Amino acid sequence: EDKVVQSPLSLVVHEGDTVTLNCSYEVTNFRSLLWYKQEKKAPTFLFMLTSSGIEKKSGRLSSILDKKELFSILNITATQTGDSAIYLCAVEEAAGNKLTFGGGTRVLVKP
Amino acid sequence: NAGVTQTPKFRVLKTGQSMTLLCAQDMNHEYMYWYRQDPGMGLRLIHYSVGEGTTAKGEVPDGYNVSRLKKQNFLLGLESAAPSQTSVYFCASSYPGLSTGELFFGEGSRLTVL
Repeated sequence: EDKVVQSPLSLVVHEGDTVTLNCSYEVTNFRSLLWYKQEKKAPTFLFMLTSSGIEKKSGRLSSILDKKELFSILNITATQTGDSAIYLCAVEEAAGNKLTFGGGTRVLVKP
Repeated sequence: NAGVTQTPKFRVLKTGQSMTLLCAQDMNHEYMYWYRQDPGMGLRLIHYSVGEGTTAKGEVPDGYNVSRLKKQNFLLGLESAAPSQTSVYFCASSYPGLSTGELFFGEGSRLTVL
């Protein structure tokens, strides 16, 4: 059975700090790893990673995948209060029909 | 363009009652999913469908049934609600061919079973 574990469970930072979120996984036939941001309602897509060592970047957010050690990190630099959210990691099997999500990391950015 | 729409958004049930959650998408997506979200447990897949007339079990299917009679609609049914089914339910859809990973989510339906 596929397994996705995120850490930490939650963290509190101040504006301007840098945040690093971790996601480790076990999946039979790996296809991709995805990051989502969930504010008040529906999760929204951030990144999809398929290859090791290639950083994906969007503004102050970046993510990288290590397929050998089976983990990914999501970095947020110069955090803002709008970054407060639950960040979800998910893995997709090669069959490509569905995602398995981790428990999420709740991030609170204080002014 | 409405995207993915779930109804109802809130519902309170008594133990043993039945109900149906409706998910509608207007993006012509083949794949549709029902997830539940409980605190600290992320999203867990209940059932999914890879096309009209097809359904499959996910990670936590017990106590739920689904139907996909039309491509744009995916219904989730609770035949006899239990307090353990108190949760927030999310419907999602995606288009295969590329990765199915970029799911488009509805805004969620909060269900409380007393």
